[in-house]
Amino acid sequence: NAGVTQTPKFRILKIGQSMTLQCAQDMNHNYMYWYRQDPGMGLKLIYYSVGAGITDKGEVPNGYNVSRSTTEDFPLRLELAAPSQTSVYFCASSARLAGDKNIQYFGAGTRLSVL
Amino acid sequence: ILNVEQSPQSLHVQEGDSTNFTCSFPSSNFYALHWYRWETAKSPEALFVMTLNGDEKKKGRISATLNTKEGYSYLYIKGSQPEDSATYLCAFNAGNNRKLIWGLGTSLAVNP
Repeated sequence: NAGVTQTPKFRILKIGQSMTLQCAQDMNHNYMYWYRQDPGMGLKLIYYSVGAGITDKGEVPNGYNVSRSTTEDFPLRLELAAPSQTSVYFCASSARLAGDKNIQYFGAGTRLSVL
Repeated sequence: ILNVEQSPQSLHVQEGDSTNFTCSFPSSNFYALHWYRWETAKSPEALFVMTLNGDEKKKGRISATLNTKEGYSYLYIKGSQPEDSATYLCAFNAGNNRKLIWGLGTSLAVNP
């Protein structure tokens, strides 16, 4: 019963470093999402994907890149880390079935600090 | 710009009290309204997804109602327990584009 798995759980980066946040789901969900959550700001959508090979920008995509080469995996890439990217990142997925009404299942989050 | 507002921002109640929160959302192009529960140090988990005007959903001591014509949903907790302490998020789904617009949440603390 893995669901949505995110790695790492915590990371500290120096300004200008790059890293990839990993997200994998084993529920055969077509839709996957990356959010960031900042204090007092709620969940903001960074990127999302409606299926393998298809990605699209959310509300706050600048400074990030994604890829979706398989249904299971949706990594989020930070190329040049900046302090403004200090946040908690959540990956989520949802099924394609019409009846599920887009219930989203979340990973445990990655807490990232850029110093 | 689509906006989802939740009130109050935070709430402190005593064990045994009943409480309710509000979620306001755009009344046009409605597809679904979601409620999620988010405990500290965990990730959000879905409570309810509501789609029809007048819908009422119930899970144990927690229930929710939906008014799509006026654009609001209420979440009720009857006889609050300390384990109900969490942030309750609502999210609006416009059309069927698979993106949710999230409120900032209501943070509930239940004192024993």
